[in-house]
Amino acid sequence: SQQGEEDPQALSIQEGENATMNCSYKTSINNLQWYRQNSGRGLVHLILIRSNEREKHSGRLRVTLDTSKKSSSLLITASRAADTASYFCATDDIGANSKLTFGKGITLSVRP
Amino acid sequence: GAVVSQHPSWVICKSGTSVKIECRSLDFQATTMFWYRQFPKQSLMLMATSNEGSKATYEQGVEKDKFLINHASLTLSTLTVTSAHPEDSSFYICSAPKLPSFFSTEAFFGQGTRLTVV
Repeated sequence: SQQGEEDPQALSIQEGENATMNCSYKTSINNLQWYRQNSGRGLVHLILIRSNEREKHSGRLRVTLDTSKKSSSLLITASRAADTASYFCATDDIGANSKLTFGKGITLSVRP
Repeated sequence: GAVVSQHPSWVICKSGTSVKIECRSLDFQATTMFWYRQFPKQSLMLMATSNEGSKATYEQGVEKDKFLINHASLTLSTLTVTSAHPEDSSFYICSAPKLPSFFSTEAFFGQGTRLTVV
């Protein structure tokens, strides 16, 4: 069953602005991951945050994790038109043997 | 980074025929691979877990006789859609964790296969 729920479901911003996407989940996790998917393509791993971490950075990406609220956020700073894509959170649930559970996804449009 | 190659990237077939999709890990061994199905503008739905040397594990509601999975080697898993019908038209994606499954790892995804059954 899908447990990752992202919001908003669609986000449109101007190039240069920051984009914030949120994800909530329901179970206990080993880690939470964010993926990006360009239209009609496979998924590309962006960043992984472990259950004992609260914040992680990678380039223009910043991810936070609040296990007490079972939520995560992905911040993309100084967005570019090339960031236009769908973004999914995925949880690696405890006991799921690396079987990821994906959220419904957020469609991000960055206007040039 | 690790590469997972999926082939073909798209296929059109006639109703009633079977289609085979390959998923290869190019620079690492994958004892486990996952097969997903994705409908337009929707999330990924896990279909089955492919296990090298043993039978695949199917998710609830997925017909194992319809979607045959064979994990022939440590670098290759295949998904065969048998007697395909138009409702099987979808985007199929495979993935593989780079490390053994008892480690929490990121997954590497294939490019996906767009199947259209006419």
